[in-house]
Amino acid sequence: AQKVTQAQTEISVVEKEDVTLDCVYETRDTTYYLFWYKQPPSGELVFLIRRNSFDEQNEISGRYSWNFQKSTSSFNFTITASQVVDSAVYFCALSEALTDSWGKLQFGAGTQVVVTP
Amino acid sequence: DSGVTQTPKHLITATGQRVTLRCSPRSGDLSVYWYQQSLDQGLQFLIHYYNGEERAKGNILERFSAQQFPDLHSELNLSSLELGDSALYFCASSVDGQGKYEQYFGPGTRLTVT
Repeated sequence: AQKVTQAQTEISVVEKEDVTLDCVYETRDTTYYLFWYKQPPSGELVFLIRRNSFDEQNEISGRYSWNFQKSTSSFNFTITASQVVDSAVYFCALSEALTDSWGKLQFGAGTQVVVTP
Repeated sequence: DSGVTQTPKHLITATGQRVTLRCSPRSGDLSVYWYQQSLDQGLQFLIHYYNGEERAKGNILERFSAQQFPDLHSELNLSSLELGDSALYFCASSVDGQGKYEQYFGPGTRLTVT
């Protein structure tokens, strides 16, 4: 069963528009960690943020912000005032504290963001 | 630059062959993870090593094996290659072995099986 769902396959925006990427996760564990990664056209995976299950505070880093809501099992990501350099595939991932899952990142399918000038 | 190195960057080989992918983790990181990224399967976890010991296995084929050496670098061996093994193989490292901390990914090895 898919543990991380990114329902949006592709989002196209014009520069300076805001874009929100949805991520819904599923776990029975009470201790878990959520991550966002960016994969630009060059192909590498770039770490953006980590959030543990006990910390529901939202976070802002420059034009990026994240909204974590345990009640809806969601960890959404917003890019404010998008720029062409934000064009990439963005992945949400889950790491569960279950012993046999130690360290394993379970990725969503990714959302392709296309920002046009 | 994540600090994780992978060699080679590209590999083209024929079906039935065997290849070895190499990964050096970031300085100080004890965990190495291997992932496969393909169009149909997405990003899939293969295997995790922590300080030389296997910690977790994902949907890794029996034809695939890995190890982590005393200097903490890791190798992923793929044998009896099939066309479907063509993919981007990532190595990642983290400071811990329990998934609490972020994993930093290498640039990947693009494997093409012809």
